[in-house]
This record gives sequence, structure tokens and C-alpha cells, in this order.
Amino acid sequence: KAGVTQTPRYLIKTRGQQVTLSCSPISGHRSVSWYQQTPGQGLQFLFEYFSETQRNKGNFPGRFSGRQFSNSRSEMNVSTLELGDSALYLCASSQLAISSYNEQFFGPGTRLTVL
Amino acid sequence: AQSVAQPEDQVNVAEGNPLTVKCTYSVSGNPYLFWYVQYPNRGLQFLLKYITGDNLVKGSYGFEAEFNKSQTSFHLKKPSALVSDSALYFCAVRDPNTGNQFYFGTGTSLTVIP
Repeated sequence: KAGVTQTPRYLIKTRGQQVTLSCSPISGHRSVSWYQQTPGQGLQFLFEYFSETQRNKGNFPGRFSGRQFSNSRSEMNVSTLELGDSALYLCASSQLAISSYNEQFFGPGTRLTVL
Repeated sequence: AQSVAQPEDQVNVAEGNPLTVKCTYSVSGNPYLFWYVQYPNRGLQFLLKYITGDNLVKGSYGFEAEFNKSQTSFHLKKPSALVSDSALYFCAVRDPNTGNQFYFGTGTSLTVIP
């Protein structure tokens, strides 16, 4: 079974631009979560989608948004980029339905650099 | 309030010695606890989880973790460390009080010295 894939792997943008990151979960997984990883803050939860609906949202400004498609693929968008948005963005999928004990499987991440 | 804490940013251990990476949590009720490992330039890999039952959980690559409810801890252990175990380790909790959202610790960098 193929793992979680994220595209692109690396991205360089300038302040004020917007960016869209893509995530394809493991086949059969319906839950997709996004995290921001920085050296100082560790992993910060952005949001979680399940069956095209946002289930949970972390404490990030409205510039960060996401969506999930009917095939469970997910995109994350960041508008009006700031220097502080430079980070590794990780996507994770799980089989979560009603059960809450499923582990998450992570993709390799997208390294975003904002200049 | 932080739901999970990893008190050590860095742990060094000699190859062949036992290792412990500490984790404590502050979630009420019966949380679900996880350990993940991250190698350089890679995503996180699942190691093990505690849901219920036996307090000692065995996972991948010879790792195990002990759930201690009275101390609200879930320390990761391995009897004999390998140089290849050097990586960043994250403890995580799934909080049933907040829609089962995952909370991760800040990570502990483990270095196994040959």
C-alpha cells in the first residue's frame, strides 16, 4: 500500500504570495490532518478533515485554510505569506471514523521557505 | 494548557545501554497515547500506542513504553540502544475532550554514541 504523499516537497515563495500544498492519504483513509513543524514550536496542529468536512481546527489565523475532496485528497492554502510561515508542513492520514484510537500516518512533508 | 510534555530536549546514551525518553500528559479521563520517531528530512513514523489494557506496550524496532496513570506518564524505553536509533522522538496524545485532536510534545532529540 502506498504511503501518504505530499507535493511539492520543496517550495520557495516571497512575502505576500499565496501557496497551495497537496496531500494524498493512504488508500482507504478518510481522515487527513495538517501540521506545521518549526524548530522552536514543534508540531502545531492546523486542521483535520474527515469526509470532506473540517472536524477540528488549531489556533492559526484565517490565512491558513484547507479542504478535502471526495477522494480524500486534501489541499492546504496559505494566503498573504509571512516570513514566519517558513516551516515543514506535514500531512497525516488515518482510518478514523467514529473510533478515536487510530494512529496517524505521516507524509514526508513540504518544506516551505518564505523570502 | 499543554496536553503533553517532553521534559528533555536532548538525550544522549551510549550504544548498547538502555534508553528512556520521557513523556507526561495532562489530559483528563482516558487518553490515547502515541510515540512517533522522525529521521532527518522525513515525516513522522508511528512506533507504538497505548489504548487500554496492559500498561507495557511493545512497538516497532524493539521499543516499548510504559503507561503510568498515577504519574500521568508514558515513557519510551529500549533495553539496548543502537546508533541507528538516533532521531527525534515525539510523544502524542489524542484528547477525547477536544474532539480527539492530536497534541504533540516538542520532541526529544536522541543521540546514541558509538
